[in-house]
Amino acid sequence: DTAVSQTPKYLVTQMGNDKSIKCEQNLGHDTMYWYKQDSKKFLKIMFSYNNKELIINETVPNRFSPKSPDKAHLNLHINSLELGDSAVYFCASSQRGKASGELFFGEGSRLTVL
Amino acid sequence: AQSVTQLGSHVSVSEGALVLLRCNYSSSVPPYLFWYVQYPNQGLQLLLKYTTGATLVKGINGFEAEFKKSETSFHLTKPSAHMSDAAEYFCAVSEDSGGYQKVTFGTGTKLQVIP
Repeated sequence: DTAVSQTPKYLVTQMGNDKSIKCEQNLGHDTMYWYKQDSKKFLKIMFSYNNKELIINETVPNRFSPKSPDKAHLNLHINSLELGDSAVYFCASSQRGKASGELFFGEGSRLTVL
Repeated sequence: AQSVTQLGSHVSVSEGALVLLRCNYSSSVPPYLFWYVQYPNQGLQLLLKYTTGATLVKGINGFEAEFKKSETSFHLTKPSAHMSDAAEYFCAVSEDSGGYQKVTFGTGTKLQVIP
């Protein structure tokens, strides 16, 4: 049973389209994250939610809109996709106050914008 | 603001040789430090972590790291490399951000193991 699962694993789409990535965790954690990993493997945090509340919002274009319907789910919707959005997007979770920020990652969703 | 520097984006070792991956950090408060490993087409998984206490920490797959405050380093080592160790390794630092832990990753080091 996968702890942090993301769907879809691969997306290929045209510029200007809108796409969504879903994430679910069954670890009972209260905090979830979206990270972007570029082609050089650099990992940058985008958003973090704690119990459905947005707590970290890095400098990300407002075309990216996260949504957390409950603490076990964090989805990412991207409008008007651009070439530079091509990357691997990782969902992660952690428990606030525990393990000092240890993160549990999903397997990633590879987005390719043509 | 916290930051992490990993020296060497690529490291090659022979099978059976010592693995040494370097990490230096910058943090305004006592840091929590981590090493994560990423195998091809997978997410990151925790190798080991330093929070408080013993400065030499042991992780999975025979890896260990030593926290050296005076050198602001947290280098990762393994006495004998195995082919299965080939992966991307990320050092990370965690710092309190308004009551929450914000994790910052280094740029990663790709470990190649030569038979």
